[in-house]
Amino acid sequence: QVHLVESGGGVVQPGKSLRLSCAGSGFTFGGYSMHWVRQTPGKGLEWVAAISSDGDEIHYADKVKGRFTISRDNSRDTLYLQMTRLRADDTALYYCARDLRSFLDWLFMDWGQGTLVTVSS
Amino acid sequence: ENVLTQFPGIVSSSPGESVTLSCKASQGVTSGHLAWYQQRSGLAPRLLMYGIAARAAGIPDRFSGRGSGTDFTLTISRLEPEDFAVYYCHLYGDSAGTFGQGTRVEI
Repeated sequence: QVHLVESGGGVVQPGKSLRLSCAGSGFTFGGYSMHWVRQTPGKGLEWVAAISSDGDEIHYADKVKGRFTISRDNSRDTLYLQMTRLRADDTALYYCARDLRSFLDWLFMDWGQGTLVTVSS
Repeated sequence: ENVLTQFPGIVSSSPGESVTLSCKASQGVTSGHLAWYQQRSGLAPRLLMYGIAARAAGIPDRFSGRGSGTDFTLTISRLEPEDFAVYYCHLYGDSAGTFGQGTRVEI
C-alpha cells in the first residue's frame, strides 16, 4: 500500500525559509515522478513543483520559480521542497503526490496527508 | 491557459440517488487527459477517474466519467454516505494543468 508522509510545516515569518519532506513507502520510490501540490481555502488546489524519478527533469509553477527548490533522495525514499523568501500567499496545506510512472505524466495518483505552512508575522 | 469551471458549486442529494457533476474547459481538450479527484472532509484528495473515463484502482463502478471537447461529467450512481465530499476535475498531461474549483456533494 502506497504511503506518503509529509513533514516540516509550521508557522514562519515572511521572507524566511522552510524545508518540507515527504517520506514514501509501500512502493519503489525511485521508480516514480513526484509532485508538490498545495491547497488553500480560497484558491483550491494548485500544483507547485515536479521532479522526475531520477531528478533530471524539474518544473515549477511560475509563482514559486526562483524561490522554491524540489529535490529527492531515492536512497532515503524522500522528496523535499526547500522554500525560501516565503510570502503570505504561500500559506497553504502542502501535499506530496506520486505520479503515474517514472516519467512525468502530471497525474496525481496517490497523495500524502499534507503539512500546513503558515506564513505570518 | 485552459480554465476549468465546475458546476454546480454545491449539489444536494440523498443516499441511493444519483448526481452528475459538470466540468467545462475554456478550450477544447484533445488529449483526453481529464481526471477527477474526491476529497472527503479533513482528508487528502483521492484520484477517482483519469483519461476521462478510466476508474482508478479500487474505485467502484458507481462512478463514471464521460465527455469530450470542452464538456465533461462525473456521474455518481446510488450515492453512498462516503460519497458526500468535494469533487475536483483536473486537466493534466504535458504540464500540471489546472484544477476546477470543486463541486460539493452534500446531503
